[in-house]
Amino acid sequence: AQSVTQPDIHITVSEGASLELRCNYSYGATPYLFWYVQSPGQGLQLLLKYFSGDTLVQGIKGFEAEFKRSQSSFNLRKPSVHWSDAAEYFCAVGAGDYKLSFGAGTTVTVRA
Amino acid sequence: NAGVTQTPKFQVLKTGQSMTLQCAQDMNHEYMSWYRQDPGMGLRLIHYSVGAGITDQGEVPNGYNVSRSTTEDFPLRLLSAAPSQTSVYFCASSYSGVSTDTQYFGPGTRLTVL
Repeated sequence: AQSVTQPDIHITVSEGASLELRCNYSYGATPYLFWYVQSPGQGLQLLLKYFSGDTLVQGIKGFEAEFKRSQSSFNLRKPSVHWSDAAEYFCAVGAGDYKLSFGAGTTVTVRA
Repeated sequence: NAGVTQTPKFQVLKTGQSMTLQCAQDMNHEYMSWYRQDPGMGLRLIHYSVGAGITDQGEVPNGYNVSRSTTEDFPLRLLSAAPSQTSVYFCASSYSGVSTDTQYFGPGTRLTVL
């Protein structure tokens, strides 16, 4: 069965600094990988997704993620964070067509 | 488009009570799903549907029933609520599945079972 690990429960970053969120997955075949963001009290919004092709994926809000098969990783990055990036971030892996497995999430706090 | 809507936003139940969480989408999506979100555990799939009349179990289906009589609606039923079902519930939909399609999430229902 597929699984996702997000090693960092909570990250604090200064506004304007760079951000990297880690995601490791376990899946036997080529995975479908996703990053979602959840603002307080809201549902989840898709940031970006990877199916195949270029391993560096661009998403919304200035985020990007890189798929590294050798490391089973799909880390999310942003060069310069804004206060509005404070949220919870979830990595997810799709196994087949109908099931997504989510990681436990990483909460990002942005300090002024 | 309203997207994915969920009602109610908040609900408090007593142990043993039953209730239905409503979910509707107006995007003509075939695939709909229910997740529960618990602290430190991310989102876990409860049930999903790939079209009207077709449902299947996810990762944590026990204690929950679903049906899909129309494309638009996918209600989640708790037949006899238990404190372990205290959680935030999210409904999501996508065009045909999850592997390549974007899933759209509702705003969630916060359920407390006393």
